[in-house]
Amino acid sequence: SQQGEEDPQALSIQEGENATMNCSYKTSINNLQWYRQNSGRGLVHLILIRSNEREKHSGRLRVTLDTSKKSSSLLITASRAADTASYFCATDSSYKLIFGSGTRLLVRP
Amino acid sequence: KAGVTQTPRYLIKTRGQQVTLSCSPISGHRSVSWYQQTPGQGLQFLFEYFSETQRNKGNFPGRFSGRQFSNSRSEMNVSTLELGDSALYLCASSRGDSSYEQYFGPGTRLTVT
Repeated sequence: SQQGEEDPQALSIQEGENATMNCSYKTSINNLQWYRQNSGRGLVHLILIRSNEREKHSGRLRVTLDTSKKSSSLLITASRAADTASYFCATDSSYKLIFGSGTRLLVRP
Repeated sequence: KAGVTQTPRYLIKTRGQQVTLSCSPISGHRSVSWYQQTPGQGLQFLFEYFSETQRNKGNFPGRFSGRQFSNSRSEMNVSTLELGDSALYLCASSRGDSSYEQYFGPGTRLTVT
């Protein structure tokens, strides 16, 4: 079962533009994490935001968390072609991560 | 620090065979988790081990099993392979439980024919 559902499923933008992807989840959480996956490879951890945090930044990444709406968003600013990948949100529960369906981001040069 | 390694990277098996996949976590990490990724089902949790103890298991049939050794290395085994077992199998390690960031290996691409 998937805890998080992501929106949009696919996103195509021009290099230099910002990319925003959203994640909704169903149950209460301790934290929410975002991962990136380049085509058919392993996942790379991007950022973790705890349930008592509302916003977190890391380089060109900005994550927000709204626990009342059970939703999170990931903003990538000034996108680059190298940002082309799939992005997943994940919540943790009982020693496991429950992943969303992912957003496929294409950044056109 | 060396990353998570998985062997083999690619594997082709026929239906009915069994397969063993291996995962070496980052040094010092005691938690190892396994995930299956398919286009249809996405990323699904298989099991998690910590200090040789399985703490959680996903909703997979008993054909899927795993173990962890005293050096934290982990193996997963799939017996009586089915076509639907074709997937990317990902291993992740962390310092503690899933509330910590997970470090993923490159995965093992299993194809069942």
